[in-house]
Amino acid sequence: GENVEQHPSTLSVQEGDSAVIKCTYSDSASNYFPWYKQELGKRPQLIIDIRSNVGEKKDQRIAVTLNKTAKHFSLHITETQPEDSAVYFCAASGVTGNTGKLIFGQGTTLQVKP
Amino acid sequence: SQTIHQWPATLVQPVGSPLSLECTVEGTSNPNLYWYRQAAGRGLQLLFYSVGIGQISSEVPQNLSASRPQDRQFILSSKKLLLSDSGFYLCAWSQLANTEAFFGQGTRLTVV
Repeated sequence: GENVEQHPSTLSVQEGDSAVIKCTYSDSASNYFPWYKQELGKRPQLIIDIRSNVGEKKDQRIAVTLNKTAKHFSLHITETQPEDSAVYFCAASGVTGNTGKLIFGQGTTLQVKP
Repeated sequence: SQTIHQWPATLVQPVGSPLSLECTVEGTSNPNLYWYRQAAGRGLQLLFYSVGIGQISSEVPQNLSASRPQDRQFILSSKKLLLSDSGFYLCAWSQLANTEAFFGQGTRLTVV
């Protein structure tokens, strides 16, 4: 089955700097790669996603890149702000039957220091 | 609009007691439903998923079971809880394969 590895487990940056979180996946059939943000005590929420037919996607300060050959994808946050502090999860999904099982990485705790 | 309800929010149960967590989705039909567990400081582990009534797939061997008695109802159960069952349990739904999954508020379970 699919396995997703996420690094680093913790990341501390100064406000205004960039943050990069990397994930690798094992199943070459995976074709959907979302990123979720979980603030303390709250539910995970989608912040950006990318599909296998696209190499890069950007939404304001957030971007995701995908390298299918190497089976890795990354989240880039530019001009970080204190409210970006949270746990970030990557996930990978491929269709099996009529369901896409989302398999998550271990999470990255991002701390943005003012 | 679609909403997902999960309850209870917190639960403290003794070892050996039964468990029943319920999740319901409103505003959609035939959703894919998921149960995840999040241990302290760890990622989201997929426990069960369901593509329809009575259809349950288990991802990991464990002390838990799941059922889907109605289209938009997903239940996580255990006959006898273990200490290792403690954690944060999240229900989620998605409309189609490989689309955004929406999470419930979660249930923090402490087995004592």
